[in-house]
Amino acid sequence: GDSVTQMEGPVTLSEEAFLTINCTYTATGYPSLFWYVQYPGEGLQLLLKATKADDKGSNKGFEATYRKETTSFHLEKGSVQVSDSAVYFCALSAYNNNDMRFGAGTRLTVKP
Amino acid sequence: DAGVTQSPTHLIKTRGQHVTLRCSPISGHKSVSWYQQVLGQGPQFIFQYYEKEERGRGNFPDRFSARQFPNYSSELNVNALLLGDSALYLCASSGRGGDYSNQPQHFGDGTRLSIL
Repeated sequence: GDSVTQMEGPVTLSEEAFLTINCTYTATGYPSLFWYVQYPGEGLQLLLKATKADDKGSNKGFEATYRKETTSFHLEKGSVQVSDSAVYFCALSAYNNNDMRFGAGTRLTVKP
Repeated sequence: DAGVTQSPTHLIKTRGQHVTLRCSPISGHKSVSWYQQVLGQGPQFIFQYYEKEERGRGNFPDRFSARQFPNYSSELNVNALLLGDSALYLCASSGRGGDYSNQPQHFGDGTRLSIL
């Protein structure tokens, strides 16, 4: 079935460092791809999305490009801040499917 | 506009009891989904409801059930609670039916259920 695999954490970076969190997917069709972020004690917030191949989602300095040839949707940010410390989830939703599949999450800690 | 609201925020139950969790979607959203998030893992899909009908069910036992009301709010019920049901239960709403995949789901802050 459809699934998402993301890099294991935790990831610890210094402020202003470059961030990459890898995400690859397996799907029979052409899914939409998402990154969600979860801060302590809260639900998931949509960070960005891409609905077709070569689309780039971006928000708050984060970017991810839908790569069909490598079935990937890696999350990047050029300069992380302490406030970016959270758990990041990659997810997919297949066309006309009723559930969203999530990766296991990657915990990011940014130190000043 | 208010986001997705869930109640209660925390709940403690004992094995064998029954629990009801409640969710109010974003105004105008007709689709509600429920997820279970065990500590340290990603959310797992339980149910989706759209226009008061069940549109999807994940790999959960029959002890789990749900319904959606005419105002699009929803309840998740779990019977005969087990220790393994301890988790954060998330509700999410999305804007439209049809092609669900293009509609991002908006999550509430969840109900943390602890089974003793």
